[in-house]
Amino acid sequence: RKEVEQDPGPFNVPEGATVAFNCTYSNSASQSFFWYRQDCRKEPKLLMSVYSSGNEDGRFTAQLNRASQYISLLIRDSKLSDSATYLCVVNIIKKTSYDKVIFGPGTSLSVIP
Amino acid sequence: DVKVTQSSRYLVKRTGEKVFLECVQDMDHENMFWYRQDPGLGLRLIYFSYDVKMKEKGDIPEGYSVSREKKERFSLILESASTNQTSMYLCASSFQGERYGYTFGSGTRLTVV
Repeated sequence: RKEVEQDPGPFNVPEGATVAFNCTYSNSASQSFFWYRQDCRKEPKLLMSVYSSGNEDGRFTAQLNRASQYISLLIRDSKLSDSATYLCVVNIIKKTSYDKVIFGPGTSLSVIP
Repeated sequence: DVKVTQSSRYLVKRTGEKVFLECVQDMDHENMFWYRQDPGLGLRLIYFSYDVKMKEKGDIPEGYSVSREKKERFSLILESASTNQTSMYLCASSFQGERYGYTFGSGTRLTVV
């Protein structure tokens, strides 16, 4: 089983739709969680951190369920400019070694006019 | 605006050549990383460094080496380039001891012929 798994998509949604991405991780020692956005032929850029209590940034809401080892990203009122690949990232904090950061394979989103 | 700068956007090299990929960050970050990104395989960690003159192997270090002589600069070296090293190479940096995610450079698309 991969350490971080995402539905690869593609998700094709109309403008204005709400879309949700899911991510599961296998290592219960995971401590920090992030969503990154990567546009075609560009570098990944940090979209938002994911906090235990859930957090919102404008149209984007991230949630974490530690018991189920599950992270989600909800995008409301989708815009054409939201079209990108969304990467789930998990940081495993190791007390006796360096932290290990694992990138998921990404979920592709296309917002259609 | 904080930046991670990679020396070349596109590079074409011949098999057997020694290749240097340079990365410079202006954020005084302690941590620096080299990844490669391939379709279907996602981001894979090659090497990382948490301090000047230190380096640690990532998941796929074979065929690569690194150098970190100054805090702001992290170089990736392909000792003898091979066609299977054709890829997008991404440099990233972050603060140590904080969980604010990575800042990536814009990437170097390397083609080995």
